[in-house]
Amino acid sequence: DAKTTQPNSMESNEEEPVHLPCNHSTISGTDYIHWYRQLPSQGPEYVIHGLTSNVNNRMASLAIAEDRKSSTLILHRATLRDAAVYYCILSLYGGSQGNLIFGKGTKLSVKP
Amino acid sequence: GAGVSQSPSNKVTEKGKDVELRCDPISGHTALYWYRQSLGQGLEFLIYFQGNSAPDKSGLPSDRFSAERTGGSVSTLTIQRTQQEDSAVYLCASKPRTGELFFGEGSRLTVL
Repeated sequence: DAKTTQPNSMESNEEEPVHLPCNHSTISGTDYIHWYRQLPSQGPEYVIHGLTSNVNNRMASLAIAEDRKSSTLILHRATLRDAAVYYCILSLYGGSQGNLIFGKGTKLSVKP
Repeated sequence: GAGVSQSPSNKVTEKGKDVELRCDPISGHTALYWYRQSLGQGLEFLIYFQGNSAPDKSGLPSDRFSAERTGGSVSTLTIQRTQQEDSAVYLCASKPRTGELFFGEGSRLTVL
């Protein structure tokens, strides 16, 4: 299974942009890149996903490297509510086949 | 409700007892996943059901763990002869054929 590597933790100041990196050097051509986040004492929630092109939604942006071996989740203006563990995972064919393996993620702290 | 429902939310049991954890997925979702999360750790994949296909049991840590999904809907995770190291939050998620995972709030298991 293709795996991802993320920093254990990151810190940000409130209202500043945050760039959360993820390395996936063994990604295959049919793997989608997904991001989930887990707020304290809650189950994870979907943030964003993409295949090759950069993606934007109301929560965040996803920048995917041209060789697809890395990606970056961008929170444009961090708020205190964005403090969470962020998981970068890969899925085959957009997740319609196969299991979804989560790593340890990046714990994001946001300072006021 | 329209979300993934898990029960019980909290379970305290004695070492050696059997426990059953229940997951009610979102109606119409074809895939169902079980994960385990120990304190301060990431999500550990346990088992994955997709439609009528044979489940992917590759993440089950021992033969004391089993799971079934009846009628393609409700799932039960059973842990026999519980051990203290089984203490964790057990998370269930369901997913439509294409789309993101939706997680429940989890069942917190404490084995004394």
